[in-house]
Parts: sequence; structure tokens; C-alpha cells
Amino acid sequence: AQSVSQHNHHVILSEAASLELGCNYSYGGTVNLFWYVQYPGQHLQLLLKYFSGDPLVKGIKGFEAEFIKSKFSFNLRKPSVQWSDTAEYFCAVKGGFKTIFGAGTRLFVKA
Amino acid sequence: DAGVTQSPTHLIKTRGQQVTLRCSPKSGHDTVSWYQQALGQGPQFIFQYYEEEERQRGNFPDRFSGHQFPNYSSELNVNALLLGDSALYLCASSLDQPYQETQYFGPGTRLLVL
Repeated sequence: AQSVSQHNHHVILSEAASLELGCNYSYGGTVNLFWYVQYPGQHLQLLLKYFSGDPLVKGIKGFEAEFIKSKFSFNLRKPSVQWSDTAEYFCAVKGGFKTIFGAGTRLFVKA
Repeated sequence: DAGVTQSPTHLIKTRGQQVTLRCSPKSGHDTVSWYQQALGQGPQFIFQYYEEEERQRGNFPDRFSGHQFPNYSSELNVNALLLGDSALYLCASSLDQPYQETQYFGPGTRLLVL
């Protein structure tokens, strides 16, 4: 069965710190991979996506993620976080027509 | 260009009642997916509609049903409501073309079952 595991439920960082959020998935076929973000009071927005090609993908607001097929991982990174990055981050895997989301990681950035 | 819209924004029902939630996709999109997001959890896939047919379903009972109209808008119906159905229900639309399957989410309908 498909599943997505996000390693951290809560992360607290100071501004300018580097961020890495872990995501591992379980699926036997070809997948599309996504990171979504939900800012306080707003709805889910796409941060970045991987369909094929270069496994290092860049998204909005300086975020990037690396697809490592051998590790079934798609970790999200940002070299220097800002207070405005405070949000909940969801990793998602699409196989067939079905998208499976992880439980989310709440990031709080201290000013 | 309007994004995905959902109605109502929130509602309260009692156990055993039935509810209908509505979704209008982003302009140009032909595919609608529905998700249930319980408090503190990620969205869970309920089903996806394309060409007015349900083409994939998640692990939800038959009490959850849907419909897609010729204008691509969609409804989610839940019968015999249970307390555990209290959640945020999200609609997402996309375009059924290779590499265009990025989903755009609506603001959701928050359902409280008492």
C-alpha cells in the first residue's frame, strides 16, 4: 500500500537557520512527488514538484527538494529560513490517480 | 481567473444526517479530487472524478459518494453522518494531461458533526 512518512511533526528554527524536512514514501510504481505548504489561515499551495528528469527540483521562495530513488526519499531544503516561512509543510506522492499525503510538519521560525 | 471555490465554508450537522458539499474547479481544469483532512493530519484521498465518472477511490465507505457535472463542478455527499466525519473537506482540481496533474486546492469546507 502507498504511504508517506514525514520525519518531524514539529520543527522550531531561528531565522537564517538551514532547514531540511524529511519525507519517505512507499510505492511500487512510477510516482510524482510534491511538497505543499499551508500558511496560517490560508489553503494548501504547491511549493514544488518532481515528475521526471533532474532529481533536484527548485520551487518557490528559495525551497528545493531532492528525489533519491534508491532511498524512496524526497527531502525539502532551504538554506536560510525566514519568519514568513512559518507554516505547515506536507509531502505528497501521486501514483496512478491517487495522491497520498504525509501527516505534515509544522515549522515555526523565531524572529 | 478564479481559483478553486468551495461551498459552504463551514456547517454543523447532527449524527445520522446527510450533507452535500460543492466545488467549482479552477478555470480550464477538468478533474476534481476530494480529500478529508482531520485535525492534525494530512489530507486523505476520498475519490477523483473525471469525465463525470469516479475513476479512483480511497479507503472510504460507500456513505461517501460524489458527482461531477458537465461543467466540471463537483459535489461530495456524505450519508448517515458519524461523529468521526468531522473534518475539513478539501477539493482539488487539475488538468488531465501528462505533466499537468498539479492539483490546486480550494479553501475547504469545515464540517462539524454533533
